[in-house]
Formats: sequence, structure tokens, C-alpha cells
Amino acid sequence: QVQLQESGPGLVKPSDTLSLTCAVSGYSISSSNWWGWIRQPPGKGLEWIGYIYYSGSTYYNPSLKSRVTMSVDTSKNQFSLKLSSVTAVDTAVYYCARKGLGAREHAFDIWGQGTMVTVSS
Amino acid sequence: DIQMTQSPSSLSASVGDRVTITCQASQDISNYLNWYQQKPGKAPKLLIYDASNLETGVPSRFSGSGSGTDFTFTISSLQPEDIATYYCQQYDNLPAYTFGQGTKLEIK
Repeated sequence: QVQLQESGPGLVKPSDTLSLTCAVSGYSISSSNWWGWIRQPPGKGLEWIGYIYYSGSTYYNPSLKSRVTMSVDTSKNQFSLKLSSVTAVDTAVYYCARKGLGAREHAFDIWGQGTMVTVSS
Repeated sequence: DIQMTQSPSSLSASVGDRVTITCQASQDISNYLNWYQQKPGKAPKLLIYDASNLETGVPSRFSGSGSGTDFTFTISSLQPEDIATYYCQQYDNLPAYTFGQGTKLEIK
């Protein structure tokens, strides 16, 4: 059973860097899937942040590109998100997710439970 | 950028009703559209991919159709456990993805 689990600080100060990790279990992160991050501000809709391949190739949302860095650690079977210079508008539930394969390659078919990150001093 | 407009933004229906949600793209996106269900406090769940393909394990009362700019998501007979917010997601302008604003479905 494939499971994804986000972890990281629940509170980040304005102007600091938000750092989250997604641990993957029951599946190799080095398989042919891409791995993504999506966020959801309280009471609002979903926003795609970006995705990464096990080789380190990345694609980011242009609106966040200047502040986002994703990385992967195949030895730990996990991938990570860093978002710099955060402000209150970055307060959201952050989800990690797996992109599917084949006909599902542009769908997120497995999601983590999400982790709430609040930006506040 | 491709904009996705879902309607209605909220919907109230009775158990057993046929429910329809639409998603309109600001330009032709072929069939490059997925649908997700998000129950309160939970992560989204993939229901439909490529506009009309049912994800494995998803009940057959859920269906999707459409191509080009106009898409429809249908629940043929609403069940109490279908209470959720539903989102469309386009993937025409790769590598970027865009979600619709969501449709909140409630039981009448």
C-alpha cells in the first residue's frame, strides 16, 4: 500500500523559509512517477506548486518559481519542498502527492494527508 | 494562462438525485481534464482522469464527459457519502496544472 506522509514545522515566521518533507512508503520513489506538492489556503481551492522526478528534474508553478526549491533523497525514499520569503498568504495545508503513470500521468493519484503551515510572527 | 471555471460553486441536492457539475476552460484543452473529490478535512481523491475515465475502485455512479472547453461531472444517484467539494484540474498547458475553484456539494 502506497502511503505519503508530510512533515515539517507547523509555524513559520514571515520572511523565513518553509521546509517540508514527504516520506514515501510502500513504493520506490525511484520508479517512473513524478512527485508533487499542492497547497490549499484555509477555506480556498487547490494550487499546484510543482513536481519533481527522482533524477532531480523539476517543474514549478511560474507564480511561485522564484521562491520554490524541490529536492529528492532516494536513499531515504522522500522528497522535499522549500518555499522562501514566506508571508501570510503562504498559510495553507500543504499536500504531497504522486503523479500517476500512463494515462494517469497528469493526475495526482495518491495523496498525503496534508500538513497545515501557518505563517505568523 | 488557462482559466478553469466551475459551476455552480455550491449545490444542495437530495439523496438519489442526479447531480451535475460543469467545468469550463478558457481555451480548448482537448480531453486534458481530471476530477477530484475532497471530503472535509481530507486530501483530494482522484475520481476521473482524461475527462471520462473512471479511476480504479471508484463507484460507477460517478462519470465525466466533455472535450474542448466544456466538461461535465455527474453523480447518477447521490449518496450521503458523496458530500464533498469537487475540483476539476486541467493539464493542457504543460508542465503547469490548474485547478478549478471547486464545487461544494451538500445534502438537502
